[in-house]
Amino acid sequence: DVKVTQSSRYLVKRTGEKVFLECVQDMDHENMFWYRQDPGLGLRLIYFSYDVKMKEKGDIPEGYSVSREKKERFSLILESASTNQTSMYLCASSRDRTGGNQPQHFGDGTRLSIL
Amino acid sequence: GNSVTQMEGPVTLSEEAFLTINCTYTATGYPSLFWYVQYPGEGLQLLLKATKADDKGSNKGFEATYRKETTSFHLEKGSVQVSDSAVYFCALNLPGNTPLVFGKGTRLSVIA
Repeated sequence: DVKVTQSSRYLVKRTGEKVFLECVQDMDHENMFWYRQDPGLGLRLIYFSYDVKMKEKGDIPEGYSVSREKKERFSLILESASTNQTSMYLCASSRDRTGGNQPQHFGDGTRLSIL
Repeated sequence: GNSVTQMEGPVTLSEEAFLTINCTYTATGYPSLFWYVQYPGEGLQLLLKATKADDKGSNKGFEATYRKETTSFHLEKGSVQVSDSAVYFCALNLPGNTPLVFGKGTRLSVIA
């Protein structure tokens, strides 16, 4: 069965801290994604990656960066956390980069609170 | 651009009622269409998908038909249960290096 694992379900950090959110998938998927989910705004894409060491900006990349050193791992980094980054963060992966008919598989999410 | 519009929630139904959640899309090409479900405290799970016009996706009693002429992919279930209470997301994907485009989600509450 497909498995996307996010390192923490709940995380509390302080303003100004550097925060790392980790995501690992075990399906050998090429594509990985980071979203944030906020009430009334749905899912918003932060960054995505179609291969190791490559990254693409999504709709709301400001204040975030990512790292993909290995195919199975995609890290989201909050360079200097701020209270408006309090949110639910969802990681996803998918297999096909060209066909367009492959679903994304999601982790259970990390609920991040910045105090 | 590419976009997905879902009916706004929340939707509240009694158990065994008929469910319809409307979804329409705008796309520059020929998308694949998906419905995802998010149960409380969890991530999104794929519920069903359709990859071409007139395809019907189905799973767990839910169905949706890809209607190219009306650019729609409405989700239906004949008899909802309390356990169907969740947030439902409609999404599209186009061939090539493009991420999924999601609707904003529709919260469904089913009461006994």
